[in-house]
Amino acid sequence: GQQVMQIPQYQHVQEGEDFTTYCNSSTTLSNIQWYKQRPGGHPVFLIQLVKSGEVKKQKRLTFQFGEAKKNSSLHITATQTTDVGTYFCAGNTDYKLSFGAGTTVTVRA
Amino acid sequence: GAVVSQHPSRVICKSGTSVKIECRSLDFQATTMFWYRQFPKQSLMLMATSNEGSKATYEQGVEKDKFLINHASLTLSTLTVTSAHPEDSSFYICSARWGNSGVEAFFGQGTRLTVV
Repeated sequence: GQQVMQIPQYQHVQEGEDFTTYCNSSTTLSNIQWYKQRPGGHPVFLIQLVKSGEVKKQKRLTFQFGEAKKNSSLHITATQTTDVGTYFCAGNTDYKLSFGAGTTVTVRA
Repeated sequence: GAVVSQHPSRVICKSGTSVKIECRSLDFQATTMFWYRQFPKQSLMLMATSNEGSKATYEQGVEKDKFLINHASLTLSTLTVTSAHPEDSSFYICSARWGNSGVEAFFGQGTRLTVV
């Protein structure tokens, strides 16, 4: 079945630094979505990438979808304390949404 | 964004009893609902996908007779944990979307199940 792998599992970042989390699927995806889950909360949708090679930005967050539509990345620049939480990628086939393991981000002030 | 309401948020039950968790889409019609299980500090493990009016599709390793899913209407899906055991204690969360893969999923608040 479809598997979505995400690394790293944990990311400890100094405030102001950049970091990237990577997502890889064992199968070609229709699209990929990214979610953020704050501690104690539920996942909240951030963005969706559909096209091969697509790049989207949301302020300090840059999302990329690979050419083969099997991998994706999220890059955060100038990390802030508000960025803490777990970031999940979710690979979409036509009928289900499967999540990666998530990258839990903590920020050192 | 759209609202998905999940109830109850917390439940404690005795071993051997059954627990029903409801997931409602409040302001849209959910053609597809997903049920996930999340262990502490871990990812969301997809348990099953349900489409309104049809049987749920369970992921490998998920016992369909233990985790009964009903998606009777476009706004309601239920997960019933039957004959619960302590190892079933977990965080269960539903998500719903309208349409197929091209739209985002909206999540319920989750249900913390503790089996004693």
